[in-house]
Amino acid sequence: EVELLESGGGLVQPGGSLRLSCAASGFTFSSYGMSWVRQAPGKGLEWVSAISNTGVDTFYADSVKGRFTISRDNSRNSLYLQMSRLGAEDTAVYYCAKLPPPSANSGRTFEYWGQGTLVTVSS
Amino acid sequence: EIVLTQSPATLSLSPGEGATLSCRASQSVSSSLAWYQQKPGQAPRLLIYAASYRATGFPARFSGSGSGTDFTLTISSLEPEDFAVYYCQHHTSWPVTFGGGTKVEIK
Repeated sequence: EVELLESGGGLVQPGGSLRLSCAASGFTFSSYGMSWVRQAPGKGLEWVSAISNTGVDTFYADSVKGRFTISRDNSRNSLYLQMSRLGAEDTAVYYCAKLPPPSANSGRTFEYWGQGTLVTVSS
Repeated sequence: EIVLTQSPATLSLSPGEGATLSCRASQSVSSSLAWYQQKPGQAPRLLIYAASYRATGFPARFSGSGSGTDFTLTISSLEPEDFAVYYCQHHTSWPVTFGGGTKVEIK
């Protein structure tokens, strides 16, 4: 069974930094791309970033480009999101999500999700 | 960036009724359109991908259709567990985007 467990959320001051982690199990982590999706309180879904299975290719939403860095450690079955220069607009639940194989007709959908970790940016 | 517009924002229906949700893209996404279901306090679940393929675990009363810029999610007969928020998402290329959501609520 696929399981994704996010951690690292919390309260951070504007301008601060935070690193989110996602521990994956139940599948061959190194074979799949991964992604982060966020949801501000009471709002809709916003894609944040994605990374290929090898970590070579990374993708970012314009709203976080230059401030957030996605990475992964396949030896630890873990995905990360380093967030810096945080602002109030970054307050959200951050979900880790597994991507299907790139060749699948479901490519770039989010087929499994974690339960999310809440990041609150406030002074 | 492709903008997805969902309508209506809220759909008030009774159990047993059918539901029709719309998603319109600002430019063609071919058939690369997905739908998600989200219940309060839960993560979203992939419901439909490639416009019409139902994901594992969802019953046949859910169906998706459309191509190009206009897509529809149909729930043939609402069950109590179907009342939720539904989001569409294009999956053509990065950056992917989501629609603003349609809340299906109990009338």
